[in-house]
Amino acid sequence: DGGITQSPKYLFRKEGQNVTLSCEQNLNHDAMYWYRQDPGQGLRLIYYSQIVNDFQKGDIAEGYSVSREKKESFPLTVTSAQKNPTAFYLCASSPGDRNQPQHFGDGTRLSIL
Amino acid sequence: GQQLNQSPQSMFIQEGEDVSMNCTSSSIFNTWLWYKQDPGEGPVLLIALYKAGELTSNGRLTAQFGITRKDSFLNISASIPSDVGIYFCAGQLGNNDMRFGAGTRLTVKP
Repeated sequence: DGGITQSPKYLFRKEGQNVTLSCEQNLNHDAMYWYRQDPGQGLRLIYYSQIVNDFQKGDIAEGYSVSREKKESFPLTVTSAQKNPTAFYLCASSPGDRNQPQHFGDGTRLSIL
Repeated sequence: GQQLNQSPQSMFIQEGEDVSMNCTSSSIFNTWLWYKQDPGEGPVLLIALYKAGELTSNGRLTAQFGITRKDSFLNISASIPSDVGIYFCAGQLGNNDMRFGAGTRLTVKP
């Protein structure tokens, strides 16, 4: 089955701890994205990557880091510098061609212990 | 970055009724997209619109790309209980520039 897999579904973070959210896609898409979703708000872009070994900051990159060592994988690390990390995190991918729609994974809900 | 103005925020309707929601922006977009999100899940693409004035249907769903390229609407006809969820509009200017509305929460009463 082709798609985008995010794991874990639920994650808890302790104070001062870094946590990493996984995102894997088998759609052969070039571009991948991370969004943050808070209640009553639209999705906000954290980071995106158009090709392997390259990524760019989105609107709310502070306190987050990413890597893109493989085309299929785009993990997101929520660092201790992110003071309000509780949110629903969504990973997306697209073919990379101009204006092609993004397709989303099922999300990871991160909470603070 | 600028988000889109989506309305209404929520709707409570009777099963069988038609639904209409819309998105507006002060900026123009090359593509308008409509997604549906169920609780605890990721958004699923419903309809993609690529040309100003384009009217596209997907079953009971119909969406239009506004002629000014600054707005779009989504209609759902003859609503059913499984239509419940949050509907998001998104405007796309380029591959990495996509803006989202805050969503319309739809409740359908049987």
